[in-house]
Amino acid sequence: NAGVTQTPKFQVLKTGQSMTLQCAQDMNHEYMSWYRQDPGMGLRLIHYSVGAGITDQGEVPNGYNVSRSTTEDFPLRLLSAAPSQTSVYFCASSYWSGLAGTYEQYFGPGTRLTVT
Amino acid sequence: AQRVTQPEKLLSVFKGAPVELKCNYSYSGSPELFWYVQYSRQRLQLLLRHISRESIKGFTADLNKGETSFHLKKPFAQEEDSAMYYCALKSGNTGKLIFGQGTTLQVKP
Repeated sequence: NAGVTQTPKFQVLKTGQSMTLQCAQDMNHEYMSWYRQDPGMGLRLIHYSVGAGITDQGEVPNGYNVSRSTTEDFPLRLLSAAPSQTSVYFCASSYWSGLAGTYEQYFGPGTRLTVT
Repeated sequence: AQRVTQPEKLLSVFKGAPVELKCNYSYSGSPELFWYVQYSRQRLQLLLRHISRESIKGFTADLNKGETSFHLKKPFAQEEDSAMYYCALKSGNTGKLIFGQGTTLQVKP
């Protein structure tokens, strides 16, 4: 299994440009989420999905769109990039583990985005 | 409101010294708490979960409902423990997690 993969690893955008951060998982996990990581702020949830066709907003959804057409993929779209969106973005997937008695969450390697 | 607080941005100790990374939470129901670790430029990985009452890499964490805390402890720090540590709280009946601000642990030789 490749686990959770993210592309690209690095990206530089100009203000106003749009782009899509890709996230895929091959573990058949129902739940997927996007976080942004900023110094002193920890990880903040942007959007999440509990299954194909179902998405919901997290703590900081403004300026981002998501869709979940398949179980495997959960792309994050920046509609019009702003310098405030400079951050490291992590995608994660999780499933219920009966053995552990809780959700097991796996993270991707992250995408480092700079908006100038 | 559901919240996780890690009051220390940076914790610096010498090798062999005890370590305690603090985590406090606010949650109205029965909490499920986790510690995640992120080594330099790597992805986050689960360190331990309170429900398992486990010890991983010498780290332990006990849930104290009275003090609403889930502090991470290790009796003797090693240089390879240097990393960013995040405390997280499971929210609702999905895989959604609420993270604290993170604490950077620096273990000096």
